[in-house]
Amino acid sequence: LAKTTQPISMDSYEGQEVNITCSHNNIATNDYITWYQQFPSQGPRFIIQGYKTKVTNEVASLFIPADRKSSTLSLPRVSLSDTAVYYCLVGSYTDKLIFGTGTRLQVFP
Amino acid sequence: DAGVTQSPTHLIKTRGQQVTLRCSPKSGHDTVSWYQQALGQGPQFIFQYYEEEERQRGNFPDRFSGHQFPNYSSELNVNALLLGDSALYLCASRTRTTRTDTQYFGPGTRLTVL
Repeated sequence: LAKTTQPISMDSYEGQEVNITCSHNNIATNDYITWYQQFPSQGPRFIIQGYKTKVTNEVASLFIPADRKSSTLSLPRVSLSDTAVYYCLVGSYTDKLIFGTGTRLQVFP
Repeated sequence: DAGVTQSPTHLIKTRGQQVTLRCSPKSGHDTVSWYQQALGQGPQFIFQYYEEEERQRGNFPDRFSGHQFPNYSSELNVNALLLGDSALYLCASRTRTTRTDTQYFGPGTRLTVL
């Protein structure tokens, strides 16, 4: 399974756009990129998943360049409630999800 | 539609004791996985159950065992508790027809070993 590297923490202010980049240099052809969000004392929550180019849903956008060695989770106009840990996962067809330490996003008023 | 539920919410045990944690998957889900999350770390995969059998296992000792019942609910058992077993234990579920990496997680059980 490909290893991922993310910033340990990021700070932002309400209303700003936040971009969290994840590096996955050893991504395999069949691997998808998946992002989860986790609030304190709760389980992770699936946010978005993609294979290449751009994916957008009601919560976030995921940008994946052609070489797929990195990806960027974009959160538009964050609010205080977006303060959480964000995990980038890479893999395919396995229940054995590999979580790193994630990126701790702190949103300030 | 209830999501993944876990019980108990919190639990305090002493070293050497045994503990059983319970999970009910989201309605319609038949595959259950368990994760251990130490403070400040990401969740670590323990094992996965489908059709009442353990299908995959992470790097955890045999002190960690599980069971899945015909109604798809699951239990995680930990024997001979160590201080290092203190963690948030998460249960995740999905259906066999969905992607394996899009799972629904429960709120977890906070286990403290004294």
